[in-house]
Amino acid sequence: RKEVEQDPGPFNVPEGATVAFNCTYSNSASQSFFWYRQDCRKEPKLLMSVYSSGNEDGRFTAQLNRASQYISLLIRDSKLSDSATYLCVVTVDSNYQLIWGAGTKLIIKP
Amino acid sequence: GAVVSQHPSRVICKSGTSVKIECRSLDFQATTMFWYRQFPKQSLMLMATSNEGSKATYEQGVEKDKFLINHASLTLSTLTVTSAHPEDSSFYICSASLAGVASGGGETQYFGPGTRLLVL
Repeated sequence: RKEVEQDPGPFNVPEGATVAFNCTYSNSASQSFFWYRQDCRKEPKLLMSVYSSGNEDGRFTAQLNRASQYISLLIRDSKLSDSATYLCVVTVDSNYQLIWGAGTKLIIKP
Repeated sequence: GAVVSQHPSRVICKSGTSVKIECRSLDFQATTMFWYRQFPKQSLMLMATSNEGSKATYEQGVEKDKFLINHASLTLSTLTVTSAHPEDSSFYICSASLAGVASGGGETQYFGPGTRLLVL
């Protein structure tokens, strides 16, 4: 089993819709959680950290479920510009090594 | 499958020494590997793109003579930080690109766990 798993997609979603995807992690000792966004052939950019209490940034909401060992990302009122690959990243140890999911591809259609 | 490893995971060195970081694709062949650096609480910054058997392509502002990249095989790329200085202390991350049928017809990047470099 991979340490961090994501549905690769693609998720084809009409503009304006709400879309959510999850990421599961296998190590219960995981400490920090992040969502990154990667556009085609560009470097990943940090979208948001995921806190235990959940956090929201505009149209984006991230949540952490430690009991079930998954994090989620919800995008409301999706825009064409949201089309990208969303990478889930988890850190486990104090060295802050990053464990990356393979990403979920999101395509927003007009 | 599609696992990328980096070695070492952590290195502390004295100023002026050179440090080599290895990036390996463990179960697939990667024609292209990427090297990034990340400062605390920031996103990754692409340093260079490495193609097997050819010279790396460096991003603007990255010194190619300081950050030597060798992509000797389809499963190994190395980054050597020459004459390291404290300002080179950072988190270095590599990724390997898998294209074609094995990645569902598209191109997928798989990221390594990173190497933390501390230059004293």
